[in-house]
Amino acid sequence: DGGITQSPKYLFRKEGQNVTLSCEQNLNHDAMYWYRQDPGQGLRLIYYSQIVNDFQKGDIAEGYSVSREKKESFPLTVTSAQKNPTAFYLCASEDQIAIYGYTFGSGTRLTVV
Amino acid sequence: RKEVEQDPGPFNVPEGATVAFNCTYSNSASQSFFWYRQDCRKEPKLLMSVYSSGNEDGRFTAQLNRASQYISLLIRDSKLSDSATYLCVVNDNAGNMLTFGGGTRLMVKP
Repeated sequence: DGGITQSPKYLFRKEGQNVTLSCEQNLNHDAMYWYRQDPGQGLRLIYYSQIVNDFQKGDIAEGYSVSREKKESFPLTVTSAQKNPTAFYLCASEDQIAIYGYTFGSGTRLTVV
Repeated sequence: RKEVEQDPGPFNVPEGATVAFNCTYSNSASQSFFWYRQDCRKEPKLLMSVYSSGNEDGRFTAQLNRASQYISLLIRDSKLSDSATYLCVVNDNAGNMLTFGGGTRLMVKP
């Protein structure tokens, strides 16, 4: 079955540590997105990539980094520069841009300890 | 003004009730509209696309009003399982990104 997989489901980060969240899709989608969701809040765009080897900053990119070396993969690194990283992180992909809607992964819940 | 605005609710309704949500958007050139459903601590899932002529899927009806720049979602015969947050989604100015509203929370009570 085609889908989009995020791992891990839960992640704990110590202060000053970088962590990487995985996002893999086998839907052959060109576009991939990372969102952050805080409790009771809407989705905020962190980074997006509409083609391999290219990505763009979203609304809240500071303290995050991404890469898009393969079509299937769009990992997100939460760096120590992100001062408030505790949130629910959602990865999404899309076939034809803004036409059919996004497919989301099941999310990674990141907590700073 | 936010690009996509929704009443956050919560809307508390009894089982069997009919409930409607509206969502307003700021970009008159937007072409793609969707409703997503998000359960607590889960990812959003596409509920339905919204077409110019309106569309229906079982108990759910979505409508688009371009003149007033809003879309609506009507849920008939509400079930307990309809309790969730409903996200309004619209494509952006450049037509190549989707913008999410903050969501409307629905709670269906026995």
